[in-house]
Amino acid sequence: EVQLVESGGGLVQPGGSLRLSCAASGFTFSSYWMSWVRQAPGKGLEWVANIKQDGSEKYYVDSVKGRFTISRDNAKNSLYLQMNSLRAEDTAVYYCARGIAARSRAYFDYWGQGTLVTVSS
Amino acid sequence: AIRMTQSPSSLSASTGDRVTITCRASQGISSYLAWYQQKPGKAPKLLIYAASTLQSGVPSRFSGSGSGTDFTLTISCLQSEDFATYYCQQYYSYPLTFGQGTRLEIK
Repeated sequence: EVQLVESGGGLVQPGGSLRLSCAASGFTFSSYWMSWVRQAPGKGLEWVANIKQDGSEKYYVDSVKGRFTISRDNAKNSLYLQMNSLRAEDTAVYYCARGIAARSRAYFDYWGQGTLVTVSS
Repeated sequence: AIRMTQSPSSLSASTGDRVTITCRASQGISSYLAWYQQKPGKAPKLLIYAASTLQSGVPSRFSGSGSGTDFTLTISCLQSEDFATYYCQQYYSYPLTFGQGTRLEIK
């Protein structure tokens, strides 16, 4: 059974940093693109970042470029999102998702339960 | 960025009804479109990819169609468990983008 379990969310002050983790199991992690998708409270879904199987390609939504970094450790079956210079508008539930890529663009067939990040003073 | 616009934003229907949700892309995306269902407090669930391919395990009352800029999700005979919010997503180009969602409510 495919499982994605996020952790690392919490309350952080504006300008602060947070590192999210996603532990994957039940599939060959190194064979899939992986992604982060977020959802602000009461709002819709927003794709944040994608990373290729070997980490050689990474893509970000413009609003997080230069502040967030996606990475993975295939030996540990883990996905990460380093978030720096956090803003109030980054407040959201962050989902880890497995990507099925077509031409390096992906849709998402499995999702974690999400971890809440709240940016507030 | 490609803008995805869903209509309607909300919809009231009864069990047994047939409902259709529309998703329009601001430019052509071929068939690089997925549909998701999300229930309150839960993660989204993939329903359809490549515009019309049903994800394994998804009931056949769900169907998708379209290509280019106009797409539809149809639920042929609403069940109680189908009342949720539905999102379309394009994966034709970066940034990947979602529609704003369609909330399907019980009439």
